[in-house]
Amino acid sequence: EVQLMESGGGLVKPGGSLRLSCAASGFSFNNAWMTWVRQAPGKGLEWVGRIKRKTDGGTTDYAAPVKGRFTVSRDDSKNTLYLQMNSLNTEDTAVYYCTTQARGSYYLGYWGQGTLVTVSS
Amino acid sequence: QTVVTQEPSFSVSPGGTVTLTCGLSSGSVSTNYYPSWYQQTPGQAPRTLIYSTNTRSSGVPDRFSGSILGNKAALTITGAQADDESDYYCVLFMGSGISVFGGGTKLTVL
Repeated sequence: EVQLMESGGGLVKPGGSLRLSCAASGFSFNNAWMTWVRQAPGKGLEWVGRIKRKTDGGTTDYAAPVKGRFTVSRDDSKNTLYLQMNSLNTEDTAVYYCTTQARGSYYLGYWGQGTLVTVSS
Repeated sequence: QTVVTQEPSFSVSPGGTVTLTCGLSSGSVSTNYYPSWYQQTPGQAPRTLIYSTNTRSSGVPDRFSGSILGNKAALTITGAQADDESDYYCVLFMGSGISVFGGGTKLTVL
């Protein structure tokens, strides 16, 4: 059974940093493209960023609102995905989901349950 | 910046058919955007319904179908049921490597 378990969410002050983790199991993590998606309270879903598998270059892409502030990384030895978030502002307050992203067809297949990040003074 | 458009809300009668659409602020949606669709109920993680325009994800009932209608991607629900009342999101894959969500459609079944 595929499982994605996010952790690391919490309350952080504006301008602060936070690192989210996503522990994966039940599938070949090192073969997967992985993505972060977020959802602000009462708002829609927003694609945040993606990392390809290492054999595809391990490259990353980011949505414009987070580019230069957020970094997606992975540790295949630990089956874990990360999202380093710097220079946080109140608009980054959201539930953050990790998902798999299919190579070739690009859809978001499996989803975690999400972790809440609140940016507030 | 490219905006992906969806109807903010829609309503359908139980047993009825409804088609939700997913368009672009500039240009037409084609299969090259690999449109996918997701269903989300309050407090839950999204569930994948359709990918690559018209392929149903595992376990999705066949009353859900995807297509290209004109210049938009479309999600059709045939024989709507009460538990189809949810938010529906489309995602388009952009050639730049990023994906973009539509704003979502709140579907009411009444």
